Amino acid sequence: KAGVTQTPRYLIKTRGQQVTLSCSPISGHRSVSWYQQTPGQGLQFLFEYFSETQRNKGNFPGRFSGRQFSNSRSEMNVSTLELGDSALYLCASSLGQSQFFGPGTRLTVL
Amino acid sequence: SQKIEQNSEALNIQEGKTATLTCNYTNYSPAYLQWYRQDPGRGPVFLLLIRENEKEKRKERLKVTFDTTLKQSLFHITASQPADSATYLCALRYNYGQNFVFGPGTRLSVLP
Repeated sequence: KAGVTQTPRYLIKTRGQQVTLSCSPISGHRSVSWYQQTPGQGLQFLFEYFSETQRNKGNFPGRFSGRQFSNSRSEMNVSTLELGDSALYLCASSLGQSQFFGPGTRLTVL
Repeated sequence: SQKIEQNSEALNIQEGKTATLTCNYTNYSPAYLQWYRQDPGRGPVFLLLIRENEKEKRKERLKVTFDTTLKQSLFHITASQPADSATYLCALRYNYGQNFVFGPGTRLSVLP
């Protein structure tokens, strides 16, 4: 089975712009979670989608949003980018209690 | 709010020795506790899951213990190898359907 894929792998944006990241889960996995990882804050939970519905949400501002499609693929969007949004954004798909992470998208905001 | 601590930020050990990493939490115990390995620039890789009613789990050279009285999980790598060098993260889930909360990680270096 193919693993979790994320696109793009690297992204450079400027402050004020918006960005959309994509995640394709492992085939058969219906749950997709998104995390932000920074050196200072570690891995922080953004949100989780299950069968196209947001099931959980972390403590991030409304500029961070996501959605899931009927084929379980998910996207997350960050609007009005700030310098502090520079991070590795990780997507994970789940089956039961096991999470499988993608390689991440490295976002740099200049 | 729940706080998760992992022993030192970095741990150096000699090849062949057993590495022991700790994960401590405050307040109430999670229903599930997991350990992940993360290499630089890559996503975490799931290693082991232990449930609150389990004391120990093993997988090859890996062993995880879970002590709800001490509010602590220990992660052991026996016969450690330089290839085991990575950051190890613990993650807690309090109830099924809730999100995982990750600890800050411990960077393990196994010296040849």
